[in-house]
Amino acid sequence: GAVVSQHPSWVICKSGTSVKIECRSLDFQATTMFWYRQFPKQSLMLMATSNEGSKATYEQGVEKDKFLINHASLTLSTLTVTSAHPEDSSFYICSASPRGEQFFGPGTRLTVL
Amino acid sequence: AQSVTQPDIHITVSEGASLELRCNYSYGATPYLFWYVQSPGQGLQLLLKYFSGDTLVQGIKGFEAEFKRSQSSFNLRKPSVHWSDAAEYFCAVGMNFGNEKLTFGTGTRLTIIP
Repeated sequence: GAVVSQHPSWVICKSGTSVKIECRSLDFQATTMFWYRQFPKQSLMLMATSNEGSKATYEQGVEKDKFLINHASLTLSTLTVTSAHPEDSSFYICSASPRGEQFFGPGTRLTVL
Repeated sequence: AQSVTQPDIHITVSEGASLELRCNYSYGATPYLFWYVQSPGQGLQLLLKYFSGDTLVQGIKGFEAEFKRSQSSFNLRKPSVHWSDAAEYFCAVGMNFGNEKLTFGTGTRLTIIP
């Protein structure tokens, strides 16, 4: 139980395009989902917290207009990187939390050319 | 605000040897503490967690951790490591139950030598 999936697992895009990453909780309902960003050999940095049916809460320094988060249902949250640039290349990881614990997805590797 | 320190960036141990990964936290109230493992290019897997009660916590894959309030520590241990334990290990602290926002340490990379 408590499986979280992400799609795609990797994506390569051209600079200026937008990329959508999906995060799904497969066997439980997640009232809260989190989006993290991880640079090579570094720790996870929380980008935003999303609650189903409400606006996401972004961490300081994260551009909400660039990283659009939608949490339309209790099992799906999406992160859209708008007008991506090479500096947005990173490993993006989501987690889903029914309550009291986070379950992590396998991550999405984004490369912007 | 809470913070987590993992003093060791990289540790190398021989297969079969014991392991201890250090984690210190800073938080004003009772913390919720976690250890996660990450293999290259993968997401995070929960090894163990401490919420309350017995301060020695048993986890998966033979790992254990001990919560020491007086030292603000939550060190991870394993009596005998296997080559498959080579990975990145992250300690994390959360706030009150129900608010699951986590703060992660910088991670410790574990290398196993034959």
